[in-house]
Amino acid sequence: GDSVTQMEGPVTLSEEAFLTINCTYTATGYPSLFWYVQYPGEGLQLLLKATKADDKGSNKGFEATYRKETTSFHLEKGSVQVSDSAVYFCALSGSGYSTLTFGKGTMLLVSP
Amino acid sequence: NAGVTQTPKFQVLKTGQSMTLQCAQDMNHEYMSWYRQDPGMGLRLIHYSVGAGITDQGEVPNGYNVSRSTTEDFPLRLLSAAPSQTSVYFCASSYSTRGIYNEQFFGPGTRLTVL
Repeated sequence: GDSVTQMEGPVTLSEEAFLTINCTYTATGYPSLFWYVQYPGEGLQLLLKATKADDKGSNKGFEATYRKETTSFHLEKGSVQVSDSAVYFCALSGSGYSTLTFGKGTMLLVSP
Repeated sequence: NAGVTQTPKFQVLKTGQSMTLQCAQDMNHEYMSWYRQDPGMGLRLIHYSVGAGITDQGEVPNGYNVSRSTTEDFPLRLLSAAPSQTSVYFCASSYSTRGIYNEQFFGPGTRLTVL
């Protein structure tokens, strides 16, 4: 079945550092790929998405490119802020499915 | 638009008790799902629905029932609560565009503790 693997955390960075959170997936067909963010005590919010190969999703300075050849969707940000501290989830929606398969989440901690 | 709403926010049950977690959405979305979130496990799918009157099991359905009598509501029933069901429960809704499933919109969650 479908699966998502993302790097374990916590990832600890200083403000203005470069961020990469790796995400790879296994799926048949052509899934859609998503990054969600969860701030403490809150639900999940969509951060960005890509629905086909080579698409780049971007939002709030975060970017991720759908790489079918490497089955990856790595999340990047050039300069993180303290307010980016949260848990980040990579997820996919398999072809023909309305539900999501999630990675285990990566906690990001940004210090001033 | 309230989006996806869930009640209650917090609940404590004793082993063997039953309860219903409520979920409603006002976006006229076709698809609704229930997930549970446990530390180090990410989110796992419990049940989902592709429209009123149609439900199906997800990855971890045991001990839970759902029904979808209207487009707006998708309650999750715990039949006989067990400590293993201590978790945070999220309801989500989504829609499709030209056959492509869009992102899911999540509710704020219900934190359930079973003693």
